Amino acid sequence: QKEVEQNSGPLSVPEGAIASLNCTYSDRGSQSFFWYRQYSGKSPELIMFIYSNGDKEDGRFTAQLNKASQYVSLLIRDSQPSDSATYLCAVNVRGSSNTGKLIFGQGTTLQVKP
Amino acid sequence: ETGVTQTPRHLVMGMTNKKSLKCEQHLGHNAMYWYKQSAKKPLELMFVYNFKEQTENNSVPSRFSPECPNSSHLFLHLHTLQPEDSALYLCASSQDMAGGAYEQYFGPGTRLTVT
Repeated sequence: QKEVEQNSGPLSVPEGAIASLNCTYSDRGSQSFFWYRQYSGKSPELIMFIYSNGDKEDGRFTAQLNKASQYVSLLIRDSQPSDSATYLCAVNVRGSSNTGKLIFGQGTTLQVKP
Repeated sequence: ETGVTQTPRHLVMGMTNKKSLKCEQHLGHNAMYWYKQSAKKPLELMFVYNFKEQTENNSVPSRFSPECPNSSHLFLHLHTLQPEDSALYLCASSQDMAGGAYEQYFGPGTRLTVT
């Protein structure tokens, strides 16, 4: 079982719609969850992080966390063509020397069509 | 310079060459990371350094040799690489305290091609 799973997509939504990206994880001890956006040929850019169950909103982005069900999601409201990118979910796990490390999912490709 | 910088941005090397990748962070962080990103595969963590000490080696072949002289600089020394090592190599940094995972910030990456 993969530690962090995402549907690779592509997820295609029309401009102005809500895009919903989902991620599940296997380590129940994980406490920190991150969403990164990666444009083609670029490095990942942090857009949201969430530590507590529930919703966290930042502009057009909302991260949702449900630790009991071990999933985290990202909602993008009023999607724009510029949101077209790959979205990476990352989850912290405890490393071999008690140092935190992130495990990344394979990413979901989002296409926003004008 | 701000954030995390990496040099070179592009590198082409033969299988018998020796080269080094450099990463520098200007964020005051104490943890630094090397990742490999190949096409169609998730980001693979290679090495973790916390306060200059290596705390994670994710079963990386010895042809990759990391070096962390201080909390701001990280190197990846490369020798006798294979064509399958061609990938985007990403450096990241974060605060890391008592085993917690804080947000990581990535550099622009080095696109490596092994011929």
